[in-house]
Amino acid sequence: GAGVSQSPSNKVTEKGKDVELRCDPISGHTALYWYRQSLGQGLEFLIYFQGNSAPDKSGLPSDRFSAERTGGSVSTLTIQRTQQEDSAVYLCASSLGAGFGNQPQHFGDGTRLSIL
Amino acid sequence: AQTVTQSQPEMSVQEAETVTLSCTYDTSENNYYLFWYKQPPSRQMILVIRQEAYKQQNATENRFSVNFQKAAKSFSLKISDSQLGDTAMYFCAFGFFNSGNTPLVFGKGTRLSVIA
Repeated sequence: GAGVSQSPSNKVTEKGKDVELRCDPISGHTALYWYRQSLGQGLEFLIYFQGNSAPDKSGLPSDRFSAERTGGSVSTLTIQRTQQEDSAVYLCASSLGAGFGNQPQHFGDGTRLSIL
Repeated sequence: AQTVTQSQPEMSVQEAETVTLSCTYDTSENNYYLFWYKQPPSRQMILVIRQEAYKQQNATENRFSVNFQKAAKSFSLKISDSQLGDTAMYFCAFGFFNSGNTPLVFGKGTRLSVIA
């Protein structure tokens, strides 16, 4: 497809398990962003990639969260030892490479993560 | 740090009427971008309109227009001739004006209901 693709669409898991969320950006987009949206809240920035490197990891809420991106394309967000407060919708966005000014970010449909 | 405030958690409007959603922000930057995103129940964030801070002219996109007041740090969204399909969460967002790409700072959103 032409848009940002995220999988799975929904994930239900037990507290303490590890989960891996996947984001496939729009082809040719070198910037990739992860945000978290908790119920009734706006989007909270987690991490972003320019190519395969992550210039800003300041939004990761704890060391249980990590992300990687390989080949300048697909990214995975991993949450280890999940807690109930990790329940949220995790949104991925991508944008064109560095140029003049911030390029518009295109979002995927998100992964709804529910921790039991 | 940049902050974005949306003071209206929920709003409703009759079909075909006009509604204005408020957004204020705080920044020490002189150049930046402002965005309005729409999030329908499908969860995908859709870019509605974008404003460059250095432009005095308010951005318009069909039925959507903004009232950008830089000195007041205000960026409201006006939806004219509201349609049932406009029912969604609306998020105001701030973006840095860089040569690269950086994450957006989002408000907490306004839930808009268009009533037939």
